[in-house]
Amino acid sequence: QQPVQSPQAVILREGEDAVINCSSSKALYSVHWYRQKHGEAPVFLMILLKGGEQKGHDKISASFNEKKQQSSLYLTASQLSYSGTYFCGTGGNYGGSQGNLIFGKGTKLSVKP
Amino acid sequence: DAGITQSPRHKVTETGTPVTLRCHQTENHRYMYWYRQDPGHGLRLIHYSYGVKDTDKGEVSDGYSVSRSKTEDFLLTLESATSSQTSVYFCAISGTDQETQYFGPGTRLLVL
Repeated sequence: QQPVQSPQAVILREGEDAVINCSSSKALYSVHWYRQKHGEAPVFLMILLKGGEQKGHDKISASFNEKKQQSSLYLTASQLSYSGTYFCGTGGNYGGSQGNLIFGKGTKLSVKP
Repeated sequence: DAGITQSPRHKVTETGTPVTLRCHQTENHRYMYWYRQDPGHGLRLIHYSYGVKDTDKGEVSDGYSVSRSKTEDFLLTLESATSSQTSVYFCAISGTDQETQYFGPGTRLLVL
């Protein structure tokens, strides 16, 4: 069950904020967020674990609502360098093992000057 | 950056020919993965390995085989390439299946 990301695409002006959501139909143990620039490999941003704290670095943070099986990525005061496609990867909990990550289809974020 | 390389980085081949892609890591990670990325589909898992000679199928494994004879190398083989296998292929590694995956630079494969 592939997680659903929303929105599919968003265009921002520099300095604006954005929220990207990731929802799953099954119980989650972890959510991993990645950013991919055009023609490059996905780059790890942060991981959120069930029962863990909200993560963040610089002006990018994320939350994990275990009951709703959702995670949100918050980009504050966006910069041109934030442009790219953001993917969430979700991990379940199968007898103590996370199992393999399942990735959403991505959210394309474009930051304009 | 995690030490992951993929070879070749670009390849053009013809339908029906065998193709092997190589992933090499210097991190001594136990888990290695092969994904394909296509527009509108995101990243889809082809096969993964949880140790030397230990491999398993992913979501889209038909038409692909893998081998892992050493910790550092994970090979993906298309036995008889088809145009539907035109894609960007990414290798990833992680220490355990609970940990973050780190991706290689990718291989662009075009099957004519």
